[in-house]
Amino acid sequence: GAGVSQSPSNKVTEKGKDVELRCDPISGHTALYWYRQSLGQGLEFLIYFQGNSAPDKSGLPSDRFSAERTGGSVSTLTIQRTQQEDSAVYLCASSLGVFGGRVTEAFFGQGTRLTVV
Amino acid sequence: RKEVEQDPGPFNVPEGATVAFNCTYSNSASQSFFWYRQDCRKEPKLLMSVYSSGNEDGRFTAQLNRASQYISLLIRDSKLSDSATYLCVVNMVKTSYDKVIFGPGTSLSVIP
Repeated sequence: GAGVSQSPSNKVTEKGKDVELRCDPISGHTALYWYRQSLGQGLEFLIYFQGNSAPDKSGLPSDRFSAERTGGSVSTLTIQRTQQEDSAVYLCASSLGVFGGRVTEAFFGQGTRLTVV
Repeated sequence: RKEVEQDPGPFNVPEGATVAFNCTYSNSASQSFFWYRQDCRKEPKLLMSVYSSGNEDGRFTAQLNRASQYISLLIRDSKLSDSATYLCVVNMVKTSYDKVIFGPGTSLSVIP
């Protein structure tokens, strides 16, 4: 597809289980972001990938959270031993990165709604 | 100081009103600025990019003041469909990367 694709769109999991969330960015986009958004709250930055550079993991809330980006394209966000407070919408965005000396706009996927019961 | 700060809102305005949102940013090296719109339970989408001293797109006008590190969004003749959260976005420049930072957003409700 032409846009950012995330899967699954909804995920219900039991407390303590591990989950994997997937993001397919727009083809050719070198920058990829993961955010988390709780109901009625703003975007919480999690992690940023840019090309072959080391990712900016400064937003990951705990060591239960990890993400990887294989081959500079698809990214997977993994949450281990899920807790109820992990329930939120997880949004992925991609962009061309820096183009013409300017950071380009980010395009978002529709998100994965994670519910931990 | 947070990297990007916005008016907390919410703003409740009648149809046809003019409303302005303010945003300040902390990194004087920032070069890229955007306004995004997020509807309830939807993903954020680009409303407009902000270049040089500002730009206009129909009822929407964005202004940039680099000296004061301040961005504004003006919406004229508000419509019910303008009800949403408006996010100010600024790039953060570091030695090893250049990424965008989203502000917390300002909620707008346009009422009949």
